[in-house]
Amino acid sequence: NAGVTQTPKFQVLKTGQSMTLQCAQDMNHEYMSWYRQDPGMGLRLIHYSVGAGITDQGEVPNGYNVSRSTTEDFPLRLLSAAPSQTSVYFCASSHPGPNTEAFFGQGTRLTVV
Amino acid sequence: AQTVTQSQPEMSVQEAETVTLSCTYDTSESDYYLFWYKQPPSRQMILVIRQEAYKQQNATENRFSVNFQKAAKSFSLKISDSQLGDAAMYFCAYRSGGDSNYQLIWGAGTKLIIKP
Repeated sequence: NAGVTQTPKFQVLKTGQSMTLQCAQDMNHEYMSWYRQDPGMGLRLIHYSVGAGITDQGEVPNGYNVSRSTTEDFPLRLLSAAPSQTSVYFCASSHPGPNTEAFFGQGTRLTVV
Repeated sequence: AQTVTQSQPEMSVQEAETVTLSCTYDTSESDYYLFWYKQPPSRQMILVIRQEAYKQQNATENRFSVNFQKAAKSFSLKISDSQLGDAAMYFCAYRSGGDSNYQLIWGAGTKLIIKP
């Protein structure tokens, strides 16, 4: 039972570098999302997708891109890393609906120096 | 905009005792859902319990129960017979029943320490 798999678990980037955080789920969930977790704050939504080929912006989308070519995969791209993007990133998936349980990956701790 | 507030950054409890974590929220909506998630040191978010706003009965999952006070916009989590494995960050989250983005609005979390 893999659930939601995120890679890598840790990453250090230099300012200006780009990278892609990978997220894959094997539960056939239509809805997938990316959150960031900063100290002393709750998680904040970056981008989300309600199905393959459909993505939209969340609360804090600037500096990030996403795509959803398959139901299983939802990568998050940092275009030009900035120190303000130092955070822990979580990918989540669920069936659509407000009452459904969101399943989370184990997170990626990203440090931008 | 909806907000979720957890006013206790840290709580501690003796093993086998009962502890209550507080959560308040602000919304003008009538259709919404509330969740408690646990984040152990492994970092992975795990659903503990959920509550539908239209249900008056408080949700219960084994040793975990909630006290849902809709008028006061309060959603506290009670953990009975605390165990060492309950040590974690606990997050309260809100989700609108009407938003198509299914966004979870999160509180800042409460760190729960279990004393053996």
